[in-house]
Amino acid sequence: GENVEQHPSTLSVQEGDSAVIKCTYSDSASNYFPWYKQELGKRPQLIIDIRSNVGEKKDQRIAVTLNKTAKHFSLHITETQPEDSAVYFCAATSYSGAGSYQLTFGKGTKLSVIP
Amino acid sequence: NAGVTQTPKFHILKTGQSMTLQCAQDMNHGYLSWYRQDPGMGLRRIHYSVAAGITDKGEVPDGYNVSRSNTEDFPLRLESAAPSQTSVYFCASRLAENTGELFFGEGSRLTVL
Repeated sequence: GENVEQHPSTLSVQEGDSAVIKCTYSDSASNYFPWYKQELGKRPQLIIDIRSNVGEKKDQRIAVTLNKTAKHFSLHITETQPEDSAVYFCAATSYSGAGSYQLTFGKGTKLSVIP
Repeated sequence: NAGVTQTPKFHILKTGQSMTLQCAQDMNHGYLSWYRQDPGMGLRRIHYSVAAGITDKGEVPDGYNVSRSNTEDFPLRLESAAPSQTSVYFCASRLAENTGELFFGEGSRLTVL
């Protein structure tokens, strides 16, 4: 099955600096890569996603890049703000057989933005 | 439009007791799933359903049962709770299994003593 590795597990940055979180996946057939943000005590919520036919996608201060050859994708947050502090999860969707799909999550990155 | 609703938000039970976590969605989504979240382990899928009457096992199904009698509801049952089932549980829905955003409920924090 799919295996998603996420690094780093914790990340501290100064307010205004950039933050980068990286994920690798094992199944070359994976075709959809969402990123979720989970604030303390809250539910995970989708912040950005990318499909395998696209190399980069931006949404204001957030961008995601995908390198299919190397099987890795990254989340970039620019001009970080204290409200960006949260746990971020990457995920990859792959076909798991018998008409079924699996969304496999990384173990998460706890981002702390220091004012 | 409430999205995905889970109950209860918190619950404590003793080893060997049974309980059911409720999940309901009002977005007419076909796909429903249960995840557990443990520190350092990310989100792991327990069971899922692609339509009423169809359920299947996820990554960590042991000790849990599910049923899907209609489109809206997808309860998760613990028949004989164990301390290893202490976790935060999330129900999540999606338009279809491989389509669209995965919407999570608010979560249910379960402690088994």
